[in-house]
Amino acid sequence: GQQVMQIPQYQHVQEGEDFTTYCNSSTTLSNIQWYKQRPGGHPVFLIQLVKSGEVKKQKRLTFQFGEAKKNSSLHITATQTTDVGTYFCAGGDTGTASKLTFGTGTRLQVTL
Amino acid sequence: KAGVTQTPRYLIKTRGQQVTLSCSPISGHRSVSWYQQTPGQGLQFLFEYFSETQRNKGNFPGRFSGRQFSNSRSEMNVSTLELGDSALYLCASRYGTTYEQYFGPGTRLTVT
Repeated sequence: GQQVMQIPQYQHVQEGEDFTTYCNSSTTLSNIQWYKQRPGGHPVFLIQLVKSGEVKKQKRLTFQFGEAKKNSSLHITATQTTDVGTYFCAGGDTGTASKLTFGTGTRLQVTL
Repeated sequence: KAGVTQTPRYLIKTRGQQVTLSCSPISGHRSVSWYQQTPGQGLQFLFEYFSETQRNKGNFPGRFSGRQFSNSRSEMNVSTLELGDSALYLCASRYGTTYEQYFGPGTRLTVT
C-alpha cells in the first residue's frame, strides 16, 4: 500500500533558525495536506496543495509540491517558540482523494 | 461555529471488552473519518463515512467498525479489545467538496 515517509524525525533548532521537513510518497498523490499537532493536542490543518510544482506561502511557512506529485516540503523561516509541535504531511490517494495516508511526522523543538 | 467533539475523552477498558466512541462533526460537514494514533505506528486511517455510507476503509481487522447517523454524527466500535488497541482515536470531519479535515480532540483509550 501507499507509504509516506518524512525526514527528519526530529529537529531541534534555536529560535530564529530556519527549519525544513521533507515528505516522500511511494506513489503519486492526488493532493498533499500539511497538519500541525502541538504536544497533547490534535492535528490542525495548515494547507493543501493540489497542482504539480505548486508553491504556497503562509507568513513564515512555505509549502511545495513536487513536479511528480510524490514529494513535498515545508519550510519555516526564522522559527519561533510557537512553532513547536509535530508536522505531518498527508497524501491523498489518486483513486480516492479523501483517503489520506499520513506521514511519519517531524517533531520540531525550538529553544531560545 | 463549534468544532468537532468527541466523547468520551478518556476511557479505560479491560482486554476482551468492547467500546463505542462517539464523534459529532462540525455543523454542515457530512464526511467523518476515524484515525488511530500511536507512538509506534503514527496516524493510521480507519474508515470514512459520508452520508451514512462507508466510503473508504483502512487496513484494520473487522473488530473495528463504525457507522454514521442521518445527522452526520458517527460512532466507532471496537470489539474484543486487545492491549495493542490502546491509542488516541481521532475523528475528523470535512465539508464534502473539499479535502481538508478538521480534527476533534480525540478519545484516549487504554486497554489493560
